[in-house]
Amino acid sequence: SQTIHQWPATLVQPVGSPLSLECTVEGTSNPNLYWYRQAAGRGLQLLFYSVGIGQISSEVPQNLSASRPQDRQFILSSKKLLLSDSGFYLCAWAAGGPETQYFGPGTRLLVL
Amino acid sequence: QQQVKQSPQSLIVQKGGISIINCAYENTAFDYFPWYQQFPGKGPALLIAIRPDVSEKKEGRFTISFNKSAKQFSLHIMDSQPGDSATYFCAASWDFNKFYFGSGTKLNVKP
Repeated sequence: SQTIHQWPATLVQPVGSPLSLECTVEGTSNPNLYWYRQAAGRGLQLLFYSVGIGQISSEVPQNLSASRPQDRQFILSSKKLLLSDSGFYLCAWAAGGPETQYFGPGTRLLVL
Repeated sequence: QQQVKQSPQSLIVQKGGISIINCAYENTAFDYFPWYQQFPGKGPALLIAIRPDVSEKKEGRFTISFNKSAKQFSLHIMDSQPGDSATYFCAASWDFNKFYFGSGTKLNVKP
């Protein structure tokens, strides 16, 4: 069966510090991978998605970036965090065919 | 521009009642409509999904009703239970590479 992991689970960072969130998927190959941000009490905002290694599509201009160095690894990064980057970050995967997305447990980021 | 509009934002239902959440979309190319359930501090989990070739899909107490001509779909939770209290998201997809989510409905089922 497929499993998706995210870490860390919780992160508190000062404004201006760098960020690296990691997501890995097990039990599948060549998945589509996604990063979402969910502000408190709000919906899901798609940040990036990837259909293959090194292929990243950005949905929202921001100070965040994403990379996919391996087939089942997706990384969300920032060089300098802003207060507005606080939120709940969710990684998801999909098989790319007529299938839905499956979400990881999320990382709660608080920028102070 | 929001691709999928969801209502209501919050919903209070008595135990045993019916919870109804509505979504509307504009892009007629959408061909896959999942619903997700999210508990606090957790990632959303797939609840039920439908394709536009059927008007209704039922799984246990959860039913999706789909109206292609009106470009609307809804989630019905029959015999709502306190354990159903969560945030529900509708979504739509047309190329399976991108999913568009509604803004969410926070459901509170009162005992």
